[in-house]
Amino acid sequence: GALVYQYPRRTICKSGTSMRMECQAVGFQATSVAWYRQSPQKTFELIALSTVNSAIKYEQNFTQEKFPISHPNLSFSSMTVLNAYLEDRGLYLCGAIQGLSNERLFFGHGTKLSVL
Amino acid sequence: QQQVRQSPQSLTVWEGETAILNCSYENSAFDYFPWYQQFPGEGPALLISILSVSDKKEDGRFTIFFNKREKKLSLHIADSQPGDSATYFCAASAGTNAYKVIFGKGTHLHVLP
Repeated sequence: GALVYQYPRRTICKSGTSMRMECQAVGFQATSVAWYRQSPQKTFELIALSTVNSAIKYEQNFTQEKFPISHPNLSFSSMTVLNAYLEDRGLYLCGAIQGLSNERLFFGHGTKLSVL
Repeated sequence: QQQVRQSPQSLTVWEGETAILNCSYENSAFDYFPWYQQFPGEGPALLISILSVSDKKEDGRFTIFFNKREKKLSLHIADSQPGDSATYFCAASAGTNAYKVIFGKGTHLHVLP
């Protein structure tokens, strides 16, 4: 079955520092990867959609300067949270879209970011 | 503006009962409705989904009932087990924008033994 691995599972960083999180699709080709953030209040926000060989589309309130994303192949994507502050806390989810299907968005376990 | 609404916010049932989780939406363009199950500390896992061309989808103990005219759907969990205790998110997306999933705020299900 389709699996999405994210690492690290949890991370703590000091305010103003940066951290990188990774996402790997196993068992399928992730033509697109959507990065979401789930707030401590459990609401979801779409950060950006990354499609191999295409420009990354950022949603309103999220920028490449703050959340740079790399998506070099069909199985791997990474995102960095630059200059993290308290408002960046949450569970960062990588959602991989399987092949050309527009129906299935599989999430990894998430990277929980805490900021001190 | 909440495009996908879920009720109740919290639900408690006894083991063996059927849990019914409700969801409604506003955007008529939504045509794909996945339900995600999330345990504390974990990411949401795709549980079951339905396309708007169907009115029912079954997968084991989980059944989605869908009413397109009323823009409502519900997730029925038959023979609820304590291991089903989790937060369930109803979500929706439209057409080719599967990645732009709009999530509800979730229903927290407690199944008592």
